[in-house]
Amino acid sequence: NAGVMQNPRHLVRRRGQEARLRCSPMKGHSHVYWYRQLPEEGLKFMVYLQKENIIDESGMPKERFSAEFPKEGPSILRIQQVVRGDSAAYFCASSPRTSELWDTQYFGPGTRLTVL
Amino acid sequence: GQQLNQSPQSMFIQEGEDVSMNCTSSSIFNTWLWYKQDPGEGPVLLIALYKAGELTSNGRLTAQFGITRKDSFLNISASIPSDVGIYFCAGQLFSDKIIFGKGTRLHILP
Repeated sequence: NAGVMQNPRHLVRRRGQEARLRCSPMKGHSHVYWYRQLPEEGLKFMVYLQKENIIDESGMPKERFSAEFPKEGPSILRIQQVVRGDSAAYFCASSPRTSELWDTQYFGPGTRLTVL
Repeated sequence: GQQLNQSPQSMFIQEGEDVSMNCTSSSIFNTWLWYKQDPGEGPVLLIALYKAGELTSNGRLTAQFGITRKDSFLNISASIPSDVGIYFCAGQLFSDKIIFGKGTRLHILP
């Protein structure tokens, strides 16, 4: 059973370009979470999605950032017109949501975005 | 918003020493989590705590969920070289977003 997969592992973009980060959850998991980690910091929650639904996007910047988790295929975090401050590691986690109380979130290896 | 204060920020210890780190929160959580992150990787769950006062062990690791639900500690006994990394405390209210501390960077001196 493969773990959470993210690609690419490293992404370099110039200012103004678009960045697309992909996350394939673990088999059987229908809940995906995106987190951002700046250097020397902890992970910060961005967005929580189920298949075709955004459940909580309270951590997403209001502009340039969007996320989707279509019925088929991976979850995508999209950053338009990237700026240097977007440089960070972006982690995806997935859970099976078997309990209303708490579910283990399994993290992927992350995508390290560098904006030149 | 909810914040976690994790201390110490970094530790330099000798192999074989015991390690202790802790975390406090401005608000309560239903679940406390401890993760380890190796360079270039995602965080890996070490211990999950579900009840106030709970004390849980995982090998050489022991963690406790504070009675007030606003704090937790992690102890590592008899440290070994592979313990090097960043340890994060984290809190969760329900099956929802995880709030992370800023991490404790553990270094083991040769």
